[in-house]
Amino acid sequence: AQKVTQAQTEISVVEKEDVTLDCVYETRDTTYYLFWYKQPPSGELVFLIRRNSFDEQNEISGRYSWNFQKSTSSFNFTITASQVVDSAVYFCALSEAGANNLFFGTGTRLTVIP
Amino acid sequence: DTGVSQNPRHKITKRGQNVTFRCDPISEHNRLYWYRQTLGQGPEFLTYFQNEAQLEKSRLLSDRFSAERPKGSFSTLEIQRTEQGDSAMYLCASTGRGETQYFGPGTRLLVL
Repeated sequence: AQKVTQAQTEISVVEKEDVTLDCVYETRDTTYYLFWYKQPPSGELVFLIRRNSFDEQNEISGRYSWNFQKSTSSFNFTITASQVVDSAVYFCALSEAGANNLFFGTGTRLTVIP
Repeated sequence: DTGVSQNPRHKITKRGQNVTFRCDPISEHNRLYWYRQTLGQGPEFLTYFQNEAQLEKSRLLSDRFSAERPKGSFSTLEIQRTEQGDSAMYLCASTGRGETQYFGPGTRLLVL
């Protein structure tokens, strides 16, 4: 069975601090996809990144970086020099190959204090 | 705007009434998904269409729920005899050739 755990329910940081959001997943499949989405107060889920299970390269996009480690079944997300606009709920999600749905974690609410 | 659109954005209804939501996917996306999100939770999968065919339904989709995608373009989600437990955000997403699902702004339903 697939499972996504985001143990951090809420995190608060002061602007310009770095913050890491944790994601641990479980799946029996060898082929799967991992995602991060951002949900600002407006409610729309904004796609941030997709990783497939065969690509363990870490990725950096501006202030965002992702650390994928199959050995620990983790796909963590780091925001450097956080900004107030980063305040949102962040969801990690898993999709198994051949499946037609995303399985989401419960989300981490990030508050960046000015 | 070429993103996923959903209407209405908000709906307040009385228990027992029927409601219908609409989703317009990204143009030429042949796969469409419906999710439900309750407060403090992540979205939960409801159903999936490939073109006009409804290929998968979650057990969350009770017999009061029905979804259609008649011409393989827009989709509707209808809830009959609404209950207070149906209060949630209903999200639609679409996918083209890749695996990434792009979401709409959602329809927030409140059942009084």
